[in-house]
Amino acid sequence: AQSVTQLGSHVSVSEGALVLLRCNYSSSVPPYLFWYVQYPNQGLQLLLKYTSAATLVKGINGFEAEFKKSETSFHLTKPSAHMSDAAEYFCAVSDGSGGYQKVTFGTGTKLQVIP
Amino acid sequence: NAGVTQTPKFQVLKTGQSMTLQCAQDMNHNSMYWYRQDPGMGLRLIYYSASEGTTDKGEVPNGYNVSRLNKREFSLRLESAAPSQTSVYFCASSTGQGRIGTEAFFGQGTRLTVV
Repeated sequence: AQSVTQLGSHVSVSEGALVLLRCNYSSSVPPYLFWYVQYPNQGLQLLLKYTSAATLVKGINGFEAEFKKSETSFHLTKPSAHMSDAAEYFCAVSDGSGGYQKVTFGTGTKLQVIP
Repeated sequence: NAGVTQTPKFQVLKTGQSMTLQCAQDMNHNSMYWYRQDPGMGLRLIYYSASEGTTDKGEVPNGYNVSRLNKREFSLRLESAAPSQTSVYFCASSTGQGRIGTEAFFGQGTRLTVV
């Protein structure tokens, strides 16, 4: 069975500081990995995805994530936080064998950006 | 460019009342999904429809029914609402073809309170 763990339900950073949101996964097969963002009162929106190509994946809004098989991690980073980055972020994992019924979402990390 | 449209956006029900949440997508996607989002629990799949004419249970189907009315529309029905069904409900769609690697598109959600 696959699973994903997001470390820290709430993360606070100062504006301009590095953003690091942690995600560790468990999968019996090479995984597909996703980061989604949810702004207040909105649905989820894809930030980036890893599908076994390059291990460093670049997404929208300056975010990127690195797939590290040895650490079973897929942490999300952004060099400099903006106020507009305040949102909830979800990591998700799939074995890639089917549709989204096979995707497991993490419990989310709320990012607060302090002026 | 509507994407995934959910109605209503907000609803308050009394225990035992019924209601139907509507969802429509205009992206010609094969697969559609209903999730519920609860604090600290991330997204949990209620039901899904891999293709027009099929529906299947997800992780938390009890108390719900669904109908895939046509390729565009996928509705979620609560026959007898309970306070435990107070949640934010999201509809999503994806192409559903071949190996996963494409994103899911989410509606803006329905905030349901059962009193």
